[in-house]
Amino acid sequence: KQEVTQIPAALSVPEGENLVLNCSFTDSAIYNLQWFRQDPGKGLTSLLLIQSSQREQTSGRLNASLDKSSGRSTLYIAASQPGDSATYLCAVGDSNYQLIWGAGTKLIIKP
Amino acid sequence: EAQVTQNPRYLITVTGKKLTVTCSQNMNHEYMSWYRQDPGLGLRQIYYSMNVEVTDKGDVPEGYKVSRKEKRNFPLILESPSPNQTSLYFCASSPAGGRGTQYFGPGTRLTVL
Repeated sequence: KQEVTQIPAALSVPEGENLVLNCSFTDSAIYNLQWFRQDPGKGLTSLLLIQSSQREQTSGRLNASLDKSSGRSTLYIAASQPGDSATYLCAVGDSNYQLIWGAGTKLIIKP
Repeated sequence: EAQVTQNPRYLITVTGKKLTVTCSQNMNHEYMSWYRQDPGLGLRQIYYSMNVEVTDKGDVPEGYKVSRKEKRNFPLILESPSPNQTSLYFCASSPAGGRGTQYFGPGTRLTVL
């Protein structure tokens, strides 16, 4: 059974730093991997979707990579800003059209 | 504006009093789903629907019902709520299930006393 893990559970960094969030999964037979952002008390917003055949996706200051063989994905945030503070979740899409979720990393960017 | 709406946003109720949380999307998506989110447990899927009149259980379906009579709506029904159903609930839609980008509603915070 697919399991998705995000470590660390929380991360605090000074503004302006580049940072990496990690997501690992146990079964490499995935259809895609998605990264989401969740602000307190709000719904989730899709950030990036990487198909299983892709190695990375970029959107602005965000870059997500995917290494299926090692069961890992990273979300790179360049030049972090206080507005980036949120919980970031990754989810793996399987062949049954379902998503398996990580528990998230709570990111705090200190001004 | 493309969106998923949920109502109510906040609800406090008592054990055993039937309630319905509505969910509607205006993107003509075939796939819709319900999640609950609890501290330390992350997002867990309750039910999902691949299309009209097609629903299936997710990971935690006990105590919940759903219906999909039209493409845009996917209500979540709690026939006899219990305190362990106190949670934050999200509705989501997608053009292709887990294979497509997920669009989430703003969430419904439910408290069952």
